Amino acid sequence: DAGVIQSPRHEVTEMGQEVTLRCKPISGHDYLFWYRQTMMRGLELLIYFNNNVPIDDSGMPEDRFSAKMPNASFSTLKIQPSEPRDSAVYFCASSDLNSPLHFGNGTRLTVT
Amino acid sequence: SQQGEEDPQALSIQEGENATMNCSYKTSINNLQWYRQNSGRGLVHLILIRSNEREKHSGRLRVTLDTSKKSSSLLITASRAADTASYFCASIQTGANNLFFGTGTRLTVIP
Repeated sequence: DAGVIQSPRHEVTEMGQEVTLRCKPISGHDYLFWYRQTMMRGLELLIYFNNNVPIDDSGMPEDRFSAKMPNASFSTLKIQPSEPRDSAVYFCASSDLNSPLHFGNGTRLTVT
Repeated sequence: SQQGEEDPQALSIQEGENATMNCSYKTSINNLQWYRQNSGRGLVHLILIRSNEREKHSGRLRVTLDTSKKSSSLLITASRAADTASYFCASIQTGANNLFFGTGTRLTVIP
């Protein structure tokens, strides 16, 4: 298996633009997680899905953030409009129930 | 952090020495996991210890869990320069499946 695949690897955008991050989980995993990592706040859980259904989105910062999982092999995290404070590394991870998470290599987002 | 803290925040040791990192968490848990993150990469799972276990070994790694103190430790024996990375503990709260991470320990092993 190729592991969790995230794209793009790097994204630089201007404030106010829409940003879409993509994730392909490991085939067969029932859970998908989106995390954000910054120096100040560490790793924050934004949202997670079980069988394509959002279970807990309490970590989503505000309405500018939205996440979807239209099928078992694809998820997106969208920020609209983006702001400089959204600059961070965004990780996607997948797993089975109560099993370790498998992380992608992240998308480094810079909003200028 | 959303769930716990680790200490020290940074640790620098000589190759061959042992490295110990500690983790505290806030709520009752199903299990506790340790992950490693190399610079610019995603986290990689190292070891999982269940709430009814007290100690677990995997190669040069030894993990302990004290649920009464809500704490865990990770010991890396005979450290190598390649062990240089950040190490995170993460816990799954009882009745949930969302994994919350600690603040991490940045380990530097000097050759």
